This record gives sequence, C-alpha cells and structure tokens, in this order.
Amino acid sequence: QKEVEQNSGPLSVPEGAIASLNCTYSDRGSQSFFWYRQYSGKSPELIMSIYSNGDKEDGRFTAQLNKASQYVSLLIRDSQPSDSATYLCAPQNQAGTALIFGKGTTLSVSS
Amino acid sequence: DVKVTQSSRYLVKRTGEKVFLECVQDMDHENMFWYRQDPGLGLRLIYFSYDVKMKEKGDIPEGYSVSREKKERFSLILESASTNQTSMYLCASSADWGASNEKLFFGSGTQLSVL
Repeated sequence: QKEVEQNSGPLSVPEGAIASLNCTYSDRGSQSFFWYRQYSGKSPELIMSIYSNGDKEDGRFTAQLNKASQYVSLLIRDSQPSDSATYLCAPQNQAGTALIFGKGTTLSVSS
Repeated sequence: DVKVTQSSRYLVKRTGEKVFLECVQDMDHENMFWYRQDPGLGLRLIYFSYDVKMKEKGDIPEGYSVSREKKERFSLILESASTNQTSMYLCASSADWGASNEKLFFGSGTQLSVL
C-alpha cells in the first residue's frame, strides 16, 4: 500500500507567522499533488494543486514539490486564526484515478 | 455550485444489519468515491467509480460493496455491518479522470455507528 506521511502536529504558530507543512510519499508514479484543508466537523476542501517540481504560489499559500525526494510542502504566509484546521496532503495514485490522503497535520494559529 | 449530497448525517445500525449509504451529485461528474475517516488513520479510500456500472477497489474494500446504476448516484453497501465499521463516511465526486485536475468535491459526510 502506498504511503503518505505527514507530521500529525499540532503545529502551533502565532498570528502573522509562516506555517510550514510537510509531506512525503512513497509512490514514485504520482504525478499530481493536492493540499486539502479540513475544518473541525467539516469536509475537506481543495486549497492548492501542484504538478511540476518547484514552487507554486496562490495568495498566501505556496506549494513546493520535489519529485526526486518524493516531498511536497505547503507554506502559509501571514497565518491567520482562520487558517486553524487540519491540512491533508493528497498525491494522485500512479494510475491517475484517485487520491491517496495523508493523515493530516493540525495547524493552530494563535492571535 | 457543485453539490454532493449524502442521504444521512447520522446513522445508527446494529451488528449484522445490511446498510446502504447513498450519495448523489448534481454536476454530471464522471468519477465518484467513497472514503472513510477515522481519528489517527485519516481518509482511506474504500471504492471508486469512473463510469456507470464501473467500480474499482480502493485500499480498504473488505466488508463493503458499491453500486452505480446511474451517473449521479453512488451507493456504499455494508453487507453485514460490524462494530469496526463505525466511522465517518465521506462521498466525493470529480469531473476529470486521469487529468491533472482531480479536484474532489466532498459531501458533508455520514457518521455511522454500529452497535
């Protein structure tokens, strides 16, 4: 079974700081990578996708991908209390038919 | 807005019962998925379907089956419910298959308790 590893946290950062969330995956065939955010008691929602090595920026969020190292990360700049949630890393499987989710990292941003 | 509707938010069943979890999406999506989410274990893929009457096993299909008779509806069936199937069940759908845009739209989930 393919593995997706995330530090479960909680990761605690003060408001305005940079939060760094990390993920490693075992399936070398994965080509597409996604970050989902899940608030407590709610369903996951997509916040970022990345397909090529390097960085991809979207507002306060930056996704970073290194396929050689099988590593993907999410940076949240100027963290806000509303960013407090669980962040799920989800590589697409090699067949490209489904997402395999990590267990998630819980982020807590204090004001 | 894409809407993925799961028939029940909370469900309580007894061991050995046959349980049906229903999911309907209104965006003509090709792909539909069933995940379960447990504390400490995260989201795990049970089954998925990329077309009507087609189904594929995910990582944990044991004890489950699925049905997709119509494009918009994907049902998860617990043939004989057991206590270890107590979980939050999440249905999801997506428009693309194999493309670099597999955005999943999730339903609000069904919390199933098997007593």
